Amino acid sequence: SQQGEEDPQALSIQEGENATMNCSYKTSINNLQWYRQNSGRGLVHLILIRSNEREKHSGRLRVTLDTSKKSSSLLITASRAADTASYFCATDLNDYKLSFGAGTTVTVRA
Amino acid sequence: DVKVTQSSRYLVKRTGEKVFLECVQDMDHENMFWYRQDPGLGLRLIYFSYDVKMKEKGDIPEGYSVSREKKERFSLILESASTNQTSMYLCASSPSLDTQYFGPGTRLTVL
Repeated sequence: SQQGEEDPQALSIQEGENATMNCSYKTSINNLQWYRQNSGRGLVHLILIRSNEREKHSGRLRVTLDTSKKSSSLLITASRAADTASYFCATDLNDYKLSFGAGTTVTVRA
Repeated sequence: DVKVTQSSRYLVKRTGEKVFLECVQDMDHENMFWYRQDPGLGLRLIYFSYDVKMKEKGDIPEGYSVSREKKERFSLILESASTNQTSMYLCASSPSLDTQYFGPGTRLTVL
């Protein structure tokens, strides 16, 4: 059962621009995570935000969480070519399981 | 650094063959997971294990089985491979209820 859905499905931006993607989910959560996947590789954890937090930063990443709207956003500032990847949100279904969305594919043009 | 390794990056098998995908983690994590990833569908959980010899079905367990005889190793078994099992298979491990650490993936093609 897929709880999270990312929007847009794909995003193309110029190097140096900001990239914003959104995640909506259906049921209450304890936390929400964002992962990155470079082409043909495994996922890498980027950031986790708990349900009692509204905003979190990590380097050029900014994540917000609005539990009333059941949505989260990931902002990548000053994008670089190396940011070209797919980005997934994941919500916890219970103590062990995560539910991943289908992802947003970001292309950063030089 | 946490390291999760998978036995093969690419694998080609024939319909009906028994296929073993191996995953090993070196961080003494309790929890291990097998996902498959298909375009447009994201990651779907096949099986997970929260302790040695313990396993639980995920969202799409049909056609798969798993084995966890040692804490560091979690194997995914396709008893009789079929073409609709052609996919990217991702293994992950987790020490807690939060972050999962993924292996590089195995791209399996069943002919």
